Amino acid sequence: QVQLQESGPSLVKPSETLTLTCTVSGGSIINDFWSWLRQPAGKGLEWIGQIAPNGGTHFNSTFKSRVRISLDTPRDQFSLYLKSVTAADTALYFCARGQCTSSSCAKVWFDPWGRGTLVTISS
Amino acid sequence: EIVMTQSPAILSVSPGERATLSCRASQSVNTFLAWYQYKPGQAPRLLIYGASNRATGIPARFSGSGSGTQFTLTISSLQSEDFALYYCQQYNTWLSFGGGTKVEIK
Repeated sequence: QVQLQESGPSLVKPSETLTLTCTVSGGSIINDFWSWLRQPAGKGLEWIGQIAPNGGTHFNSTFKSRVRISLDTPRDQFSLYLKSVTAADTALYFCARGQCTSSSCAKVWFDPWGRGTLVTISS
Repeated sequence: EIVMTQSPAILSVSPGERATLSCRASQSVNTFLAWYQYKPGQAPRLLIYGASNRATGIPARFSGSGSGTQFTLTISSLQSEDFALYYCQQYNTWLSFGGGTKVEIK
């Protein structure tokens, strides 16, 4: 079955760009929608954004000005880029496949997820 | 933004007992509601989508119900592997998650 694995640095300095990659195994990245989510310590889950099979993206307005998601279909990977990070971006970051009720994927739940990777923002 | 409120925050249950978890939406989400199980260090696991549809491979002891603003996840007879965190997520108006319920051993 499809499995996801997040990778990237565990420590990022303030004001820098956080870059994470999600590798999909057991299936192809083509034809599906893919998302990034996060959970700061002691807080709830927060959706960051989604990328469509055609590369189109949709983001949580909270992050819209400083986030980018890209696809690398030959490698079955997608990546998150979050710039100008602060301590408030310290969190457990998850990647997940979107399950959609329509082709536009305006209504989406997530299955499967990766285990998550902890990123700390600190100098 | 639709705010999702889960209750209780912590539920203490003995193995074999029934567990009932609640999720309330600040406005109607129809039946666009999912439930996940999360154990730290593991990937979150989809249990229920569409408020009452069990995901592939999910045991029948997990059931979801509700519509509009009130939803329930019921675990009919708790097994040792069911002690975990549970989150609801609405996807009617983009998406948002509840704060979670921790099911712990009584």
